[in-house]
Amino acid sequence: EAGVTQFPSHSVIEKGQTVTLRCDPISGHDNLYWYRRVMGKEIKFLLHFVKESKQDESGMPNNRFLAERTGGTYSTLKVQPAELEDSGVYFCASSQGGKASYEQYFGPGTRLTVT
Amino acid sequence: AQKITQTQPGMFVQEKEAVTLDCTYDTSDPSYGLFWYKQPSSGEMIFLIYQGSYDQQNATEGRYSLNFQKARKSANLVISASQLGDSAMYFCAMREGKTSYDKVIFGPGTSLSVIP
Repeated sequence: EAGVTQFPSHSVIEKGQTVTLRCDPISGHDNLYWYRRVMGKEIKFLLHFVKESKQDESGMPNNRFLAERTGGTYSTLKVQPAELEDSGVYFCASSQGGKASYEQYFGPGTRLTVT
Repeated sequence: AQKITQTQPGMFVQEKEAVTLDCTYDTSDPSYGLFWYKQPSSGEMIFLIYQGSYDQQNATEGRYSLNFQKARKSANLVISASQLGDSAMYFCAMREGKTSYDKVIFGPGTSLSVIP
């Protein structure tokens, strides 16, 4: 079974440009999460999809960030326009729907560098 | 307010010794779950162990065990017989609620270094 995949693995863009990150969760997982880890700090929750609906987007920093999960499969996270403080590693995770004990499976992350 | 606290930014342990990584949490929800994840230098996040708030016994998974003290709101990870491959960042996380449809938040992490 394929794990969570993320694309690209690394992106370097200039301030003001746009970047779109993609996450493909494990097939059949209802839950999809986006997290960000900045400069070795804690892993900050960004948002959570249940199928195609945004269950919780309280962690989204501002309106420069837009996440979608069309059809309840893969998700994209767009940053437009990117700022220097957006640099970090963006993780996507997915989990089955149902039991609270279901763990999250993480993707390898996308390292975003804004110069 | 911090929901998850990990007070040890860095820890060292001798190979083959046991080590305890601290985690305290804050919640008013009676239903919650606690997770530990490992992040080696390669970057991937690896699930280690889970403890539910209603679980009567402390969770164990191989060399990992969770010292769950509900009244103190602590969920410390114990790694027995440390190995060099245990060197990594360790994150404590919590999900409030009864289902997996609730979000998971992470603590700041503890960096563990195993010394040969």
